[in-house]
Amino acid sequence: DAKTTQPNSMESNEEEPVHLPCNHSTISGTDYIHWYRQLPSQGPEYVIHGLTSNVNNRMASLAIAEDRKSSTLILHRATLRDAAVYYCILRDTGAQKLVFGQGTRLTINP
Amino acid sequence: NAGVTQTPKFQVLKTGQSMTLQCAQDMNHNSMYWYRQDPGMGLRLIYYSASEGTTDKGEVPNGYNVSRLNKREFSLRLESAAPSQTSVYFCASSAGLMNTEAFFGQGTRLTVV
Repeated sequence: DAKTTQPNSMESNEEEPVHLPCNHSTISGTDYIHWYRQLPSQGPEYVIHGLTSNVNNRMASLAIAEDRKSSTLILHRATLRDAAVYYCILRDTGAQKLVFGQGTRLTINP
Repeated sequence: NAGVTQTPKFQVLKTGQSMTLQCAQDMNHNSMYWYRQDPGMGLRLIYYSASEGTTDKGEVPNGYNVSRLNKREFSLRLESAAPSQTSVYFCASSAGLMNTEAFFGQGTRLTVV
């Protein structure tokens, strides 16, 4: 499985944008980039995914580098509820399994 | 929508006891997964089932067995519980394609004493 690398922790302020980076230098051409987050005492929840183009949804935006070796999850206006562990995961055509790394613990200051 | 339902939510076992964690999904998903999460750590994949009738080992399968009973249900069994298996267990399901999302249950908090 191609691996991802994320910072262990990040901190931001409420109502400010947050940019969460993920490196995946060994990504293959068919790997999708997925992001999940885990709020305290809950199961993970899906945030967004993409292949090559930038993606937007109601929760966040995903910016994918042109060479696809890195991506950035963007929370446009962080709230206290966005405090969570964010996981960047690669999923490919052949692998049915879904493997998590250590993720980035995001702290939001009021 | 129920989504992914796990039972029980909490369980305390004595060392050596056995138990089965149940998981059911109502989204007609092909793939199902079992994870464990130790305090302060990320999720580790125990077993997964890509489709009904198939199961495969994940990162940490030792001490566990699974059964994909039908398309809806995927159970995790601990034959002889050990304190090292104290953890929070999550079940998940997805359509199984690389461009689809996975849905997670709320977890089972298991303590082995």
